[in-house]
Amino acid sequence: DTGVSQNPRHKITKRGQNVTFRCDPISEHNRLYWYRQTLGQGPEFLTYFQNEAQLEKSRLLSDRFSAERPKGSFSTLEIQRTEQGDSAMYLCASSLDWLAGELFFGEGSRLTVL
Amino acid sequence: RKEVEQDPGPFNVPEGATVAFNCTYSNSASQSFFWYRQDCRKEPKLLMSVYSSGNEDGRFTAQLNRASQYISLLIRDSKLSDSATYLCVVIYAGNNRKLIWGLGTSLAVNP
Repeated sequence: DTGVSQNPRHKITKRGQNVTFRCDPISEHNRLYWYRQTLGQGPEFLTYFQNEAQLEKSRLLSDRFSAERPKGSFSTLEIQRTEQGDSAMYLCASSLDWLAGELFFGEGSRLTVL
Repeated sequence: RKEVEQDPGPFNVPEGATVAFNCTYSNSASQSFFWYRQDCRKEPKLLMSVYSSGNEDGRFTAQLNRASQYISLLIRDSKLSDSATYLCVVIYAGNNRKLIWGLGTSLAVNP
């Protein structure tokens, strides 16, 4: 399978714990996006990378959230000191730079904070 | 005003009906436009790009109206399997070519 891969698919954690999600994009895609989605809402932009450079980070993202893409390949999204409001589906997507609107999404990582 | 707006619906239509959704955008510098489909509890998937001249893919037709700043999606002969949320995406011109997502329009096709 050469699509976008995310893991873990599901994570249940207690409030205050740290969690990390990983995304492996399609190998030749240089853009990588993180989105958050709750039921009934569209994807909410969190951040995106072009190769290893983090080009934009949403103002909605508190300093408890950090993302990296150290070698321009896979990416991690870490949430520190989780809160119940962080419960959501975290979606990763990748694309080619010149086909910026054609995103390929992973199946998502669902986070439940108790 | 939101940058990209969609009627959330839900649109409930019988099988075989024709249904149309609009998506309005506020920034006239918007460059590219797309429709995505998202099934319940699944990830979004690209349905079709929207070209200036309009484009058709089977039962689906997408159109762009730059003067009035909206895009539309028309579905003819609706199938039960068309039930999903339809999200519009607008890309602004510029170096980063930022994607702006609508909140989606929910469609339920009933037997």
